[in-house]
Amino acid sequence: AQSVTQPDARVTVSEGASLQLRCKYSYSATPYLFWYVQYPRQGLQLLLKYYSGDPVVQGVNSFEAEFSKSNSSFHLQKASVHWSDSAVYFCALSPNNRIFFGDGTQLVVKP
Amino acid sequence: AQTIHQWPVAEIKAVGSPLSLGCTIKGKSSPNLYWYWQATGGTLQQLFYSITVGQVESVVQLNLSASRPKDDQFILSTEKLLLSHSGFYLCAWRGLGGRDTQYFGPGTRLLVL
Repeated sequence: AQSVTQPDARVTVSEGASLQLRCKYSYSATPYLFWYVQYPRQGLQLLLKYYSGDPVVQGVNSFEAEFSKSNSSFHLQKASVHWSDSAVYFCALSPNNRIFFGDGTQLVVKP
Repeated sequence: AQTIHQWPVAEIKAVGSPLSLGCTIKGKSSPNLYWYWQATGGTLQQLFYSITVGQVESVVQLNLSASRPKDDQFILSTEKLLLSHSGFYLCAWRGLGGRDTQYFGPGTRLLVL
């Protein structure tokens, strides 16, 4: 069965620090993976996506993610966070017309 | 460029009253369309999807129904609202296939009292 797990409900980091938001997936075939961000009271915006090829994918606002088939993971990273990065981040898996989202990780960036 | 519009922006409704939420996509023909419900606290629940006019698949119904009367329109409705229907409703579209990105609308916030 397909599923996405984001083990951290909330992550707090200081501005300027590096960030990793974890995502683990369960899927037997080639996964199509996405990271979305949701700012308060808004819809979801795409940060980046992975289909195949280079396991490190670049996204908007200097976010990147690394796909690992051996670990079934797709962790989101950023070298230096800004206070405006505070939001909820969702990892998603899309095998077909069903799209599976993780529960989200709330990122709080402290000044 | 494609645009996705949801209406209304927000609603306050009484328990037992009917509801109709709308979603329109412009600039994309034959999109796959989706309805999601997001409870306060953030978990996204896929409710329905549609790959063509007149065809809607249910994922989780939650005493709601959906229809696709036109290629660019997706409607979510119920005849009797429950308190548990409160939340944030998101519409999304994507092209064909699992590898296409899903694009979300701005959402409709619903409060049922």
